[in-house]
Amino acid sequence: EAGVAQSPRYKIIEKRQSVAFWCNPISGHATLYWYQQILGQGPKLLIQFKNNGVVDDSQLPKDRFSAERLKGVDSTLKIQPAKLEDSAVYLCASSLPRDRGGYEQYFGPGTRLTVT
Amino acid sequence: GENVEQHPSTLSVQEGDSAVIKCTYSDSASNYFPWYKQELGKRPQLIIDIRSNVGEKKDQRIAVTLNKTAKHFSLHITETQPEDSAVYFCAASIQSFGNEKLTFGTGTRLTIIP
Repeated sequence: EAGVAQSPRYKIIEKRQSVAFWCNPISGHATLYWYQQILGQGPKLLIQFKNNGVVDDSQLPKDRFSAERLKGVDSTLKIQPAKLEDSAVYLCASSLPRDRGGYEQYFGPGTRLTVT
Repeated sequence: GENVEQHPSTLSVQEGDSAVIKCTYSDSASNYFPWYKQELGKRPQLIIDIRSNVGEKKDQRIAVTLNKTAKHFSLHITETQPEDSAVYFCAASIQSFGNEKLTFGTGTRLTIIP
C-alpha cells in the first residue's frame, strides 16, 4: 500500500513569513496527526484529527499555527507568522485500528522547515 | 499530561553485543507502549510494541519488557548489527476508541561499532 505522503520535503523561509504543509494519509485511515520534531528531540503532537474533526489540539500554538482536514482525507498545517523556534521537521502520521487491538501510526517522510 | 523519560541519550555497543534502552512514564493509565526506529533523515518506523496486559514481547532479536508497577519499560536488542545504528524513540499512550495520542521520549542514538 502507498504510504503517508507529505509536501514539500524542504522549506526555507524568513521569520514572519507564512508557510503551509500538506499531508495525504494512507487510504482508509480515519485518524491523522501532525507532529513537530525539533532536532535532537522526540516528535511532539501538535494536532490529531479523526475524520474531519479535531480530537486533540492542546499543544498547538493557536496564535500562529492552524490546521484543517478537508473531507476527512488530506490535511494542511499552516504557520503564520513563522518564528525562528519553529525550525523543525513536521511529521504527518495516520493510523488504523488493528485486528489484535490498538492502533499503529504510520509516519510520512516529513517536511524540514528552516526559519532564518 | 503524560511525561516520558528515556535513557541513555547515546549508546555505543560492539557489534554482536546487546543494547538496552530504558523509559519511564508518569501516567498510570497509559496502556500502550510502542518503540520507533528513526534512521538519519528518514521517518520513524514502528519496530515493536507492547500493551499493558503483557509483561514481555519478543520479535527475533528485539524484545520489550514492561513493569507497570514501576512504570517503566525497556527495549532489548541482542546480537546487534551495523544496521541497528539509528535513533530509537519510546512512546506511551492511553489507547481508547478515538484517541491514540502518543507521547514520545527524547530518543537514544544507538551506534553499533563494527
